[in-house]
Order: sequence, then C-alpha cells, then structure tokens
Amino acid sequence: SAVISQKPSRDICQRGTSLTIQCQVDSQVTMMFWYRQQPGQSLTLIATANQGSEATYESGFVIDKFPISRPNLTFSTLTVSNMSPEDSSIYLCSVEEGSYGYTFGSGTRLTVV
Amino acid sequence: TQLLEQSPQFLSIQEGENLTVYCNSSSVFSSLQWYRQEPGEGPVLLVTVVTGGEVKKLKRLTFQFGDARKDSSLHITAAQPGDTGLYLCALRTGGGNKLTFGTGTQLKVEL
Repeated sequence: SAVISQKPSRDICQRGTSLTIQCQVDSQVTMMFWYRQQPGQSLTLIATANQGSEATYESGFVIDKFPISRPNLTFSTLTVSNMSPEDSSIYLCSVEEGSYGYTFGSGTRLTVV
Repeated sequence: TQLLEQSPQFLSIQEGENLTVYCNSSSVFSSLQWYRQEPGEGPVLLVTVVTGGEVKKLKRLTFQFGDARKDSSLHITAAQPGDTGLYLCALRTGGGNKLTFGTGTQLKVEL
C-alpha cells in the first residue's frame, strides 16, 4: 500500500495566523482527501483534491478558510487560515487504494492558542 | 443527522474480556469498512464487508454485516491492551469516491 508522509506532525500556533500542512505520497494518485478530527471525535472530510482542478469542499468548509493546493499527483497541501482556538484539531490526508481501502497519513496535531 | 451511528461511544474493559461494537444506519449500503486508529496515527483498514449476512474473522476480531445491509458489528474476543484504540466504521459515499466515517468507539483495554 501507499506510504504517506505528512508534516508537520504537530504545531502550536497563535490565533490569527495560518499553517500549511504538507502531504507527500510515494506513488501517483488521482485523488487526495483532507480530513479534520476534532478532539475525541471521528473524522470529517474537509475536501477532495484533484490534480489540475480546484478542490471540492464538503458542506461547512470553504476555500477561503482551507485553501488546498495539488501541484502534482504525489503532493498536496492544506492551509488552515486565520486560525482560532476552534481550529485546534488533528488534520489528516488520505488516498484511496481500491481493495486496500483508504490509507492515511499520521496526521498533524494543531493547537491554536 | 449522522449517517453512521456507533455504540457504545466509550468502552473501558479489563484484559481478557469480550466486547462488541455496533455500527448502525437508517440507509442500506453496498459495503462497509472498519478501521482502527491508535493515538498519533491515522486510521488503518481492518476489513471490508460487502455481502448481507457476511461474517469475516481477523484473529480475535469477528466482523458481521447485517442481513439488510444497514448495520454491522465488531466483536473482539479476549481483549488485549494492544486492542486499545478508536474503532471506526465507514462507508463510501459521493459516488464511491469519498469515505464517510461513523461516530467512533473509543476502546481502552486495561491490564
């Protein structure tokens, strides 16, 4: 299965600033997915990132707050903009691998103070 | 309304005990996946069930897909501390390209 490297693994940020999370896959994939996991909660899909087109956002998530880049078939970034303490969560990227299901990065644990 | 409801939300048991986690929906789905997430890691796929009434075993874990394909269960026999983690059921939505997770069951197995 694919190996996903996600960084940073954790960060503590000041409110009002932005953080960009990087996700690198060791193989080419069509779609990459970004999830948010709030403390003690399940995972919620933020958006789907396709190479060569704009990301598709889920209800409740907007591009101005979570801009996504997908410059090639192995890499994507998610930016959390103008952060507030409510953005404190784990952010995970994922790829779909057919019978292997979905493979996830280890996540970025973000704390906004 | 959550598409997939899991119960219980939290479970704390002693090593050696058995437990069952449930995943329920009001909708019929074609297949369902179970994942386990350990602290500091992303979810890892345990199993995919696709046929109503299907039972799959993975060592001490037994997965069942309901006959009506609206529910699933995960049974762990003789739980061990290594089973500790967040258990998530999930199904493909949005034409099969997206993964939607259940509400999750946090399991803690103590010595």
